[in-house]
Amino acid sequence: EDKVVQSPLSLVVHEGDTVTLNCSYEVTNFRSLLWYKQEKKAPTFLFMLTSSGIEKKSGRLSSILDKKELFSILNITATQTGDSAIYLCAADPYSGTYKYIFGTGTRLKVLA
Amino acid sequence: SAVISQKPSRDICQRGTSLTIQCQVDSQVTMMFWYRQQPGQSLTLIATANQGSEATYESGFVIDKFPISRPNLTFSTLTVSNMSPEDSSIYLCSAEPGTEAFFGQGTRLTVV
Repeated sequence: EDKVVQSPLSLVVHEGDTVTLNCSYEVTNFRSLLWYKQEKKAPTFLFMLTSSGIEKKSGRLSSILDKKELFSILNITATQTGDSAIYLCAADPYSGTYKYIFGTGTRLKVLA
Repeated sequence: SAVISQKPSRDICQRGTSLTIQCQVDSQVTMMFWYRQQPGQSLTLIATANQGSEATYESGFVIDKFPISRPNLTFSTLTVSNMSPEDSSIYLCSAEPGTEAFFGQGTRLTVV
């Protein structure tokens, strides 16, 4: 059965800290891995990763995929209170549709 | 990218009643998806909605409980029928206009 596992489940840090969020997957016909940030209700897209070893970066956020070890990490440097959210990763198993398999998320709280 | 307008944003409903959630996409998309996110849980796919055909439901979800309409390439509705408190969740629609999925703002449903 396809699955996506995220760790840690929750994390509390102080502003300025660096955090690393983990996502491992077991998915047949894997196509890509996506990261989303969910602050209230709607997940907002962060990154899509398809190739191993190529870092994607956006400001203080970066992510990388390891297709051999079947995991991805999301790094956030110099965290701010606005980074407080649930971070979701999702695997896209190629099936002709975009039926993502979501992990349970990591709840990040950044304290001032 | 795509902008997806979802409404209502939230609602409190009596058990036994039905609620219809609407999603409007600002561009034509082949597939739209409906997810449920129960409290403290990740996103679970309810069904995939294609224009001009019956929706495809995931295991554990049935058309009588969650009828879906997809009258054109920019619009879809999900109805939560004969509601019970167990249906209290966030409901999200998504679409994939390109290579990744975008989400509506979500509907927070409370059944009392």
